[in-house]
Formats: sequence, C-alpha cells, structure tokens
Amino acid sequence: AQKVTQAQTEISVVEKEDVTLDCVYETRDTTYYLFWYKQPPSGELVFLIRRNSFDEQNEISGRYSWNFQKSTSSFNFTITASQVVDSAVYFCALSAANTGNQFYFGTGTSLTVIP
Amino acid sequence: DAGITQSPRHKVTETGTPVTLRCHQTENHRYMYWYRQDPGHGLRLIHYSYGVKDTDKGEVSDGYSVSRSKTEDFLLTLESATSSQTSVYFCAISESGNGYGYTFGSGTRLTVV
Repeated sequence: AQKVTQAQTEISVVEKEDVTLDCVYETRDTTYYLFWYKQPPSGELVFLIRRNSFDEQNEISGRYSWNFQKSTSSFNFTITASQVVDSAVYFCALSAANTGNQFYFGTGTSLTVIP
Repeated sequence: DAGITQSPRHKVTETGTPVTLRCHQTENHRYMYWYRQDPGHGLRLIHYSYGVKDTDKGEVSDGYSVSRSKTEDFLLTLESATSSQTSVYFCAISESGNGYGYTFGSGTRLTVV
C-alpha cells in the first residue's frame, strides 16, 4: 500500500525564519516518485519538485531545499528565510510505477508566515 | 498557455441531480486523472484514464463514473449528486504516466445542496 503522512497540520512562523515541512512515505515499490506541491489561497496546485527513488541527492532551488532520505522514508522540505508569499498549503505526494502512476497525497501542511 | 482547463469552475446543484464536470487538454497527453480535495484528506483519486476509452477506478470511485471518447476530453459524472460529494475537483494530465510533467487544472468547486 502507498501512503504519505504529513504530521504537521498547521505551522506559523515569523517572516525570515526557516521552516521545515515533514513528509514520511510508505511504499513497497522500488521505483517511485516523490513530489511537493504548493497550494496558495487562490487554490491552484503549483508543482515544486519531483524526485525519483534512485536519486537521493538533496536539492536546492533558491530559498527552497529538499532532503530525501530512503533510510527513514522521508522527503522533507525546508524554506529558508521565509516570506509572506510562502503562506500556502503544501502537499507531499507519492507516485509508484506499479499502481497506475496515480498520486497519493498527504493531508497537507498549512504554512502561515507572519510579517 | 494553460494546456488543461476545467469547466465549470463553480457549480451549485441539488441533491439527486446528475452533474458532469469536464476536463479538456491541449497537450495530447495519454494520462488523465480526476481527484477530489477535502479538508483533512488532501487529494484523493477518483478515476483515471490511460487512453481513449481506457479508464480505471481510484481510491474513492463510488458514486462517480467517467468517460473518455477523445484524447483531449475526460468527463466526470455524478449520476445522482449527494451532499458528501461537495468538494473541489481537480483534473490532472500526465504525458508518460510516471509523474513527469504532471499538470493540474485550476479546479472545480462543486456544492451539493
């Protein structure tokens, strides 16, 4: 079975603080893909990153960074020097090759950045 | 340059009436998906399609049917809408089925009263 857990329901930080959003996944597939999406108040889903199971390299994109650790089945997302525009709901998702490539989403983490 | 559009964007309907939501793509992608988003559940897959007339059920398919008679259109039908189907519905498309190039539509907010 595939499952994604985002234990943090809501997080509030003060602008310029760093914040890490946790994502823990479960799958028996050896080939799978992990994603992060941002959903701002306007409601659309914005793609942030895709990572396949064979690539454990961490990635940095501007103020965003991702830490993929297969040993702990985690794919955490860090925002450095948070800004008000980062306020949104963030979803972690899993797609596995043997399950029709459908996405399994976590329940999301609502991030509020206070100016 | 949306590539994927959903219609309608908002709809209010009465319990027991049939409702059809449309997802239209201009990317010629093979895979199309319907999800619903509810508080505390994230997004959950309703149905998906891997080609014209090829569809399969997702996690929460009860009460929903789909059709795909053309590559570009994927229709989601609620045969007899219930209040539990009040939700935001997202369509998604994917070129290769491995998650690469996965694109979501803007969503349809459906309210069943």
